[in-house]
Amino acid sequence: EVQLVESGGGLVQPGGSLRLSCVASGFTFSDHHMDWVRQAPGKGLEWIGRFRNKGQGYTTEYAASVRDRFSISRDDSKNSLYLQMNSLKTEDTAVYFCARDYISHYSWDVWGQGTTVTVSS
Amino acid sequence: DIQLTQSPSFLSASVGDRVTITCRASQGISKYLAWYQQRPGKAPKLLICATSTLQTGVPSRFSGAGSGTEFTLTISSLQPEDFATYYCQHLNSYPITFGQGTRLEIK
Repeated sequence: EVQLVESGGGLVQPGGSLRLSCVASGFTFSDHHMDWVRQAPGKGLEWIGRFRNKGQGYTTEYAASVRDRFSISRDDSKNSLYLQMNSLKTEDTAVYFCARDYISHYSWDVWGQGTTVTVSS
Repeated sequence: DIQLTQSPSFLSASVGDRVTITCRASQGISKYLAWYQQRPGKAPKLLICATSTLQTGVPSRFSGAGSGTEFTLTISSLQPEDFATYYCQHLNSYPITFGQGTRLEIK
């Protein structure tokens, strides 16, 4: 079964850090670009960033709202994607999803169930 | 940044109705538009990619159309399981953005 499973969410104080993980199974992880998307409570979807596959040079893209604070990485040997979040703000409170790029279809065809991050004092 | 504006933001309809949701882009995005369905507490589900390509397993009552800056998602005959929130998304350039969502509720 093709699957993405996120973990690492929790409660963190403003200014703190957190690292999220996304483990993939059931497909060749290394073939795909991978993305993080978040959704604040009661709000819409917001793209955070992308980590391209090896064929595209392992390059990254970020949304302006997180570029200086968040960092995405991946370990193809562990079928894993990571999101390092630093200098967290209350407005970063959200459910964080990882998503698989649907190759050549300009969309995401597989999503994790999400992990909840709450930034509060 | 490319802005996507969905209309309406809220839609009340009955089972069997035909409904259309529009997504307008602030600049041309060629065919690089996708539609997702999201139910409460769940991850988004891909319905349509590249404007009009139906994802495997998605019922044929869903269809997408458009080009350039105006796109539509149509549900030809609403079923009870279709009441959810729908988002459009572009991947023409970075940053990737979503529409604000259209909440479809049962009348």
